[in-house]
Amino acid sequence: QVQLVESGGAVVQPGMSLRLSCAASEFTFRNFAMHWFRQAPGKGLEWVAVISYDGSSQSSADSVKGRFTLSRDNSKNTLYLQMNSLRDEDTAVYYCAREFYTAAIGRRFEPWGQGTLVTVSS
Amino acid sequence: DIQMTQSPSSLSASVGDRVTITCRASLSFINYFNWYQQKPGKAPNLLIYATSTLQSGVPSRFSGSASGTDFTLTINSLQPEDFATYYCQQTHISPYTFGQGTKLEIK
Repeated sequence: QVQLVESGGAVVQPGMSLRLSCAASEFTFRNFAMHWFRQAPGKGLEWVAVISYDGSSQSSADSVKGRFTLSRDNSKNTLYLQMNSLRDEDTAVYYCAREFYTAAIGRRFEPWGQGTLVTVSS
Repeated sequence: DIQMTQSPSSLSASVGDRVTITCRASLSFINYFNWYQQKPGKAPNLLIYATSTLQSGVPSRFSGSASGTDFTLTINSLQPEDFATYYCQQTHISPYTFGQGTKLEIK
């Protein structure tokens, strides 16, 4: 079935960098915009960033702008999140999700991966 | 950013009950609105999109509606598997903000 699997989460010190991956399967990855969301421990959901289906454009939340960069390799069906200058407040489970969009019904995000935990701590 | 105020933050109910969860948007004329269910240690699961369209595979006891800037998720005849946390999300304008969540617990 359609599946997204994140990897790369780790414990890192403030100021360090980390790259997360999201491997897609059982759908035509190159046709879909992809998003990252995150959830701090015991907290709610936050949208992080989006990359277009071909990787030509991206947008991110103000909280990560200038520090986080998305990329994708459509030949490998893989999405990446490069996180630089990590802060304590970036500690969260990070989820990737596929976007469905039509003008009539807007955006929906489905499925989501199982998540990968990033802990920023000295 | 569009703020989503979700209420209640927690709710106790019994199997068979009918419950409603509401989100109020800080902006009018939001057309695109989703609801998710999340169980502990799991990823969110899309229940409803475009305010009232049921995602494939989601039981018909779940429904969504809107009135002005208020969006409502209704669960009829609660089942044991429905006890979880529910989030609303607007996808009208980026950033795609969520409500704070409603934890639905067994009474």
